Amino acid sequence: DSGVTQTPKHLITATGQRVTLRCSPRSGDLSVYWYQQSLDQGLQFLIQYYNGEERAKGNILERFSAQQFPDLHSELNLSSLELGDSALYFCASSVTAAYNEQFFGPGTRLTVL
Amino acid sequence: SQQGEEDPQALSIQEGENATMNCSYKTSINNLQWYRQNSGRGLVHLILIRSNEREKHSGRLRVTLDTSKKSSSLLITASRAADTASYFCATDATETSGSRLTFGEGTQLTVNP
Repeated sequence: DSGVTQTPKHLITATGQRVTLRCSPRSGDLSVYWYQQSLDQGLQFLIQYYNGEERAKGNILERFSAQQFPDLHSELNLSSLELGDSALYFCASSVTAAYNEQFFGPGTRLTVL
Repeated sequence: SQQGEEDPQALSIQEGENATMNCSYKTSINNLQWYRQNSGRGLVHLILIRSNEREKHSGRLRVTLDTSKKSSSLLITASRAADTASYFCATDATETSGSRLTFGEGTQLTVNP
């Protein structure tokens, strides 16, 4: 157990819908990262927040957005969902903004029908 | 696209044998990290090696890094059936304000009892 929690574990929804994935980092970690894992794209970095501020951005779609709240938990919002958005979404956390190990949560499996 | 490329894509060995996985990458890095993933589950951090380090050990794991060749290897000694998993290398080419990991496609290791 890494200490990073993610909810929900599984999410099944329809195309066009909007969902919110939630992540709580390890105690003491200020940085949160979101990754997407799919069969065709592999593991892709989406976005990083550090102490509430966006710090790094990957190839995150405009339909996707994230934020980190004052209590350091983070949410990833996915809207206008498409079949291709079906994937495992991982949250990771680390102590500082850079140069550290990242500890991953168990992931949320999103299925878009 | 993935920066890292693991080699081999799949490896099947007998319990007690050593397993070696290789990773190549393309750009300058600050550190390189190895992760393990059991089927459909979260990633477990194994080891981080910084760009100024050449070798690092952790239990039965040995990681080497050759920045001149842009390559790394992960050696698991005296393998066990429980080591069966996918292994990923991830490069961290951190910018000053944030961090992102770029993952390879992984090596699927099967350890037969």
